[in-house]
Amino acid sequence: GQQVQQSPASLVLQEGENAELQCNFSTSLNSMQWFYQRPGGSLVSLFYNPSGTKHSGRLTSTTVIKERRSSLHISSSQTTDSGTYLCAYITGNTGKLIFGLGTTLQVQP
Amino acid sequence: ETAVFQTPNYHVTQVGNEVSFNCKQTLGHDTMYWYKQDSKKLLKIMFSYNNKQLIVNETVPRRFSPQSSDKAHLNLRIKSVEPEDSAVYLCASSYRGRGEQFFGPGTRLTVL
Repeated sequence: GQQVQQSPASLVLQEGENAELQCNFSTSLNSMQWFYQRPGGSLVSLFYNPSGTKHSGRLTSTTVIKERRSSLHISSSQTTDSGTYLCAYITGNTGKLIFGLGTTLQVQP
Repeated sequence: ETAVFQTPNYHVTQVGNEVSFNCKQTLGHDTMYWYKQDSKKLLKIMFSYNNKQLIVNETVPRRFSPQSSDKAHLNLRIKSVEPEDSAVYLCASSYRGRGEQFFGPGTRLTVL
């Protein structure tokens, strides 16, 4: 089965609304990372978050390692936030990332 | 500002041809990775190199071969491409194989 479950699979918001994206892991992890994937395909790192809460502008990431979950909160969404949000965890000592399938976010004006 | 560079951006080729992709990072990292994103959008690790040494080699067909000349460069050669090789190939780097990974823009391969 899928080692990383992301929910929801897709989300449509009106500009200004908030979004909560979830990521659950089926195995223990050393750390995890949130990415934003542009429509053209390039990945932008949003958070590298071993544990706890981190903030960056309108984005907040909260990871609870013991419970094997992480969330990404987007406040006051903008049309430019549209795209795919991916989470991934790092396991073992090789550094390889195991990805979820992503949440596709569409923010309408 | 891009610090992981990939060439080419796109490549279209015929079944059976050989292709090579290049990746360079200017972040001073010592670990580099190749990931493949297929048509279903799932990203999967293919290879990882640490200081020119192969440390991760997932279940990848033998026609794929990575090459590293130094810790800042990692190339990927596909000998005799097949239709299922059509995908986006993403290169990434990190420090000591543990920290935050940074990705290049990807190379989109189309096999006709």
